[in-house]
Amino acid sequence: DSGVTQTPKHLITATGQRVTLRCSPRSGDLSVYWYQQSLDQGLQFLIQYYNGEERAKGNILERFSAQQFPDLHSELNLSSLELGDSALYFCASSVGPRSSGSYNEQFFGPGTRLTVL
Amino acid sequence: KNEVEQSPQNLTAQEGEFITINCSYSVGISALHWLQQHPGGGIVSLFMLSSGKKKHGRLIATINIQEKHSSLHITASHPRDSAVYICAVIPGAQKLVFGQGTRLTINP
Repeated sequence: DSGVTQTPKHLITATGQRVTLRCSPRSGDLSVYWYQQSLDQGLQFLIQYYNGEERAKGNILERFSAQQFPDLHSELNLSSLELGDSALYFCASSVGPRSSGSYNEQFFGPGTRLTVL
Repeated sequence: KNEVEQSPQNLTAQEGEFITINCSYSVGISALHWLQQHPGGGIVSLFMLSSGKKKHGRLIATINIQEKHSSLHITASHPRDSAVYICAVIPGAQKLVFGQGTRLTINP
């Protein structure tokens, strides 16, 4: 158990709908990362938050958004869902970064499996 | 060409064999992760390393920064080692860039 929790574990919805995925980081971790794992693209970085602020952005679609709340939990919002959004969505957390050049090990949550029908 | 290439893509071995999975990358990095993903989907971080060698139980990870190459070794492999092993590099920024994974199957 990494200490990172994600809810829900499974989510089945229809095209055009909107869903919210939730992540609670390990106690003491300030950074939260979101990743998407699809069959054809593999694992891809979506976005990172550090202490409530967006820190880095990857291949995140405009239909997707995220935020990190004062209690450090994070939510990933996916809207206007398409069949191709079906994937495993992972959240990871780390202590840092304490500075822009430093890297701290990331710990992964169990993932949310999203199925868009 | 992907920034991170793993080989082999699939590996089947008998219990007890010595396993090596390779990872080559084309960008400068500050660190490298080896991750394990079991059939249930969860991802576990096995190692994070930026130089040299690390050992944890039957697992050994090495990295050669100059050659942009890392290896993950499993000694005395066991069926419970069956999983997908993923190499991920950190190219200076905070995001991870992932290899495509190596599917390892250990037969009893």
